[in-house]
Amino acid sequence: EVHLVESGGGLVQPGRSLRLSCAVSGFSFDDYAMHWVRQAPGKGLEWVSGITWNSGAIGYVDSVKGRFTISRDNAKNSLYLQMNSLRGEDTALYFCARESERYTYGSPFDYWGQGLLVTVSS
Amino acid sequence: SHVLTQPPSVSVAPGKTASITCGGNNIGRKSVHWYQQRPGQAPVLVIYYDRDRPSGIPERFSGSNSGNTATLTISRVEAGDEADYYCQVRDNNSDHPGVFGGGTRVTVL
Repeated sequence: EVHLVESGGGLVQPGRSLRLSCAVSGFSFDDYAMHWVRQAPGKGLEWVSGITWNSGAIGYVDSVKGRFTISRDNAKNSLYLQMNSLRGEDTALYFCARESERYTYGSPFDYWGQGLLVTVSS
Repeated sequence: SHVLTQPPSVSVAPGKTASITCGGNNIGRKSVHWYQQRPGQAPVLVIYYDRDRPSGIPERFSGSNSGNTATLTISRVEAGDEADYYCQVRDNNSDHPGVFGGGTRVTVL
């Protein structure tokens, strides 16, 4: 059974950093692209960042470019999101998600974690 | 990247049909995916590549895509279908492979 479990969230002051992790199990992690999607309180889904199975291609939404860094460790079956220079508008529930097809970048997201709350506030 | 427009809300009586639209410039030339998100839960893929259903999704859910509008149709609506629904466009641009629409809240009367 596929599982995605996020960790590392919490309350952080503006300008500080936080690192999110997503531990996966139940599938060959190194075959699939992975993504981070966030949802601000009471708002819709926003794609944040994605990374291909071999880290060969990486993308970010414009609002986080230069501040967030996505990475993965295939040996540890883990996805990461390093978030620096955090702002109030980064406050959201952060989901990690898996693409449905092996070796693609842009297929639909078929498995999601339960989400992790990040609150940026002084 | 794409701008996808969804109506904020749709209301439907039980047993009737709900249609949720996703508008975008020439969206008919792209592949559209739909997600259902119930309150407090993670999104669930309900339609992919315009009209395909993942296993476990009822046949009551169907999709279409043409011109500037993609549509998710829920037939014989049930109380359990009450949720937020999001469209997503697959973009071959590696910088933005997963743009979402603003979401539509479906309320079952």
